[in-house]
Amino acid sequence: DGGITQSPKYLFRKEGQNVTLSCEQNLNHDAMYWYRQDPGQGLRLIYYSQIVNDFQKGDIAEGYSVSREKKESFPLTVTSAQKNPTAFYLCASIGDRDPSGYTFGSGTRLTVV
Amino acid sequence: GDSVTQMEGPVTLSEEAFLTINCTYTATGYPSLFWYVQYPGEGLQLLLKATKADDKGSNKGFEATYRKETTSFHLEKGSVQVSDSAVYFCVRARDSWGKLQFGAGTQVVVTP
Repeated sequence: DGGITQSPKYLFRKEGQNVTLSCEQNLNHDAMYWYRQDPGQGLRLIYYSQIVNDFQKGDIAEGYSVSREKKESFPLTVTSAQKNPTAFYLCASIGDRDPSGYTFGSGTRLTVV
Repeated sequence: GDSVTQMEGPVTLSEEAFLTINCTYTATGYPSLFWYVQYPGEGLQLLLKATKADDKGSNKGFEATYRKETTSFHLEKGSVQVSDSAVYFCVRARDSWGKLQFGAGTQVVVTP
């Protein structure tokens, strides 16, 4: 079945470390997105990519980086510059610009210890 | 700036009760509106959508009508089940490139 796979499900990071969250899709979707979810807040857009080898900053890109070398993959790196990285991270994709076609992954919960 | 505002939770209901979650938005024009649902430990799923004023979206017994006069998109269900326990997000399309703006989410807890 087609879908989005995020790994790992839980991730623990020490202060000052970079960590990379994986997002892979086999839906042949062009556009991919990273959102951050905090308790009591909606999802906020970190980065998005409309096409391979191109990506754009979202609303809260500081302290994060991404790459889009393959259509299927859109990894997110949480750098040590991110002041408050503990959150739930969701990856999503759509095949065209229709937002009702969003497919979300099951998320990665990152905790700084 | 543009925003999506929905009622705070948690909302606790008994099985078979009527559910309403209020949602209002501010935006230029008439964006497409959506309700997404997040079950515990999972990603989000589209519940229903409305792409223009007066449209009614419906799915799994849930309904929401796009009211441009009141800039609202309230979610309703006539008889909830325990399996409806989840977090519900009111969402608007930000642009034609697929970006979304989310409300804060409303947790719904349905007890037997």
